[in-house]
Amino acid sequence: EVQLVESGGGLVRPGGSLKLSCAASGFTFSSHSMNWVRQAPGKGLEWVSHISSSSATIYYADSVKGRFSISRDNAKSSLYLQMNSLRDEDTAVYYCARRGADHYFDYWGQGTLVTVSS
Amino acid sequence: DIQMTQSPSTLSASVGDRVTITCRASQSISSWLAWYQQKPGKAPKLLIYKASSLESGVPSRFSGSGSGTEFTLTISSLQPDDFATFYCQQYTSYSGTFGQGTRVEIK
Repeated sequence: EVQLVESGGGLVRPGGSLKLSCAASGFTFSSHSMNWVRQAPGKGLEWVSHISSSSATIYYADSVKGRFSISRDNAKSSLYLQMNSLRDEDTAVYYCARRGADHYFDYWGQGTLVTVSS
Repeated sequence: DIQMTQSPSTLSASVGDRVTITCRASQSISSWLAWYQQKPGKAPKLLIYKASSLESGVPSRFSGSGSGTEFTLTISSLQPDDFATFYCQQYTSYSGTFGQGTRVEIK
């Protein structure tokens, strides 16, 4: 069974940093691109970042470019999101999502809440 | 960047109703479109991919159609478990842009 479990969320002050993790199991992690998607309270889904299976290709939404860094460790079947210079508007539930063979997001984690507030 | 626009934003319907949600892309995305259902406090769940392919385990009352820039999600007979928010998403590019969502509520 495919499972994605996020962790690392919490309360952080504006300007602070936080690192999210996503532990994957039940599939060959190194064969799939992975993404982070976030959802602000009461709002819709916003794609945040993409990393290819080998980490060769990485993309970010303009809203986080230069502040967030995505990475992965295929040996540990884990995905990460390093978030720096956090702003109030980064407050959201952050989901990791697997891209299937045809590149749609076929599996999602349960999400981890990041709250940026003074 | 490709923009996705859903309509309506909110839809009030009764159990048994036929429901249609529309999604428009700002440029052609061929059939690279997915639909997701999200319930409060839960992660999105994949319903449809490649515009019209039903994900395994998803009830057959859900169907998708369209190509290019115009797409629809149809629920043939709305069930109590279907009241939720639905999102379309293009995945032709790395970004996977989402529509703003359509909330289906009880009439």
